[in-house]
Amino acid sequence: DAEITQSPRHKITETGRQVTLACHQTWNHNNMFWYRQDLGHGLRLIHYSYGVQDTNKGEVSDGYSVSRSNTEDLPLTLESAASSQTSVYFCASSEGGRETQYFGPGTRLLVL
Amino acid sequence: DAKTTQPPSMDCAEGRAANLPCNHSTISGNEYVYWYRQIHSQGPQYIIHGLKNNETNEMASLIITEDRKSSTLILPHATLRDTAVYYCIVRDRGSTLGRLYFGRGTQLTVWP
Repeated sequence: DAEITQSPRHKITETGRQVTLACHQTWNHNNMFWYRQDLGHGLRLIHYSYGVQDTNKGEVSDGYSVSRSNTEDLPLTLESAASSQTSVYFCASSEGGRETQYFGPGTRLLVL
Repeated sequence: DAKTTQPPSMDCAEGRAANLPCNHSTISGNEYVYWYRQIHSQGPQYIIHGLKNNETNEMASLIITEDRKSSTLILPHATLRDTAVYYCIVRDRGSTLGRLYFGRGTQLTVWP
């Protein structure tokens, strides 16, 4: 069955290190999204992509980058991890022209 | 910016119907109402969406008032596994396709 996966599921890193979170979907969806979820803030959009080579900034994009080299993957990179980036990160995808999003299981990131 | 208003918490007895309200008084004519839920430690899950007609699927029913300023998600026979945070989302007319804005949602607790 088609699915969306994230890896790692849990990550501990140190301040200043570069970290990459993987997101892979097998639905062949054009649209992919990264959100972070923190207590008191709900889900906030970090970056999104509408297709290969397309990336766009969301509402909390500072300190994060993404690249889209193929349809299946949208890795999220924290260039220099900060304690404020400790959070749960969710990846999602949707079919082009449709707004129903399918979410991955999440990655819990702790920055020490 | 909040586009929807939901009660922060509700509870329901197992086997009974759970009726979750949502106010969206500023909804425009082309905006859909979406419902997602998030079970603890999992990614959000799509439930149902609608424009102006009532909708039903295998998970739930969505009742939208005639003026479209409010809606109710109905879980006809709630189970313990329905305990989750339920998000009512109106797609921002000004947003690009696929972006969803999650508010605080309603924590539904189903008790035995």
